Amino acid sequence: AQRVTQPEKLLSVFKGAPVELKCNYSYSGSPELFWYVQYSRQRLQLLLRHISRESIKGFTADLNKGETSFHLKKPFAQEEDSAMYYCALSGYNTDKLIFGTGTRLQVFP
Amino acid sequence: EADIYQTPRYLVIGTGKKITLECSQTMGHDKMYWYQQDPGMELHLIHYSYGVNSTEKGDLSSESTVSRIRTEHFPLTLESARPSHTSQYLCATAGTPPEQYFGPGTRLTVT
Repeated sequence: AQRVTQPEKLLSVFKGAPVELKCNYSYSGSPELFWYVQYSRQRLQLLLRHISRESIKGFTADLNKGETSFHLKKPFAQEEDSAMYYCALSGYNTDKLIFGTGTRLQVFP
Repeated sequence: EADIYQTPRYLVIGTGKKITLECSQTMGHDKMYWYQQDPGMELHLIHYSYGVNSTEKGDLSSESTVSRIRTEHFPLTLESARPSHTSQYLCATAGTPPEQYFGPGTRLTVT
């Protein structure tokens, strides 16, 4: 079954600490993986996708097919990173998204 | 300015009422989607459309229906609202590349 698992509902860190938001997936094939973010009082928006291999707002995510993971990382968290983060996947040749339950990141000053 | 609009933003309504949640976009996108999200849970795709007169059911079974008579408009209708329909409903569009853009959402409460 296709599934995205985000094991942590809440992750709290202090400013300047490293951050890793975990995402594991189950998919029989080659999925495309995404991270979406929702800041307070704002809409859900795309943060990054694995095929772009780019760093957005200091965040990176590497697709590990062996471990079926797509963890989101940032070496030094900022207070403005506090938000809800959702991992999502879409299958090959389809744009329908399957979302995880999300992880709330709190960055304390 | 290109955007996605959802109305109403909040709706509290009694059981048995018919409701329509509006979604319109000026993004110029053909693909549109409806997601349902219960508090603390993941988003589930309930309907999608790849263009005018094209509608499909999503992965989560829903008693709602949708229509796509115009490219810009993708309303969702519940013929008889029930408390189990209480949820947040998010509308999204997608262009090329297939990045999805989300509207602000409608928070529905059925009493």
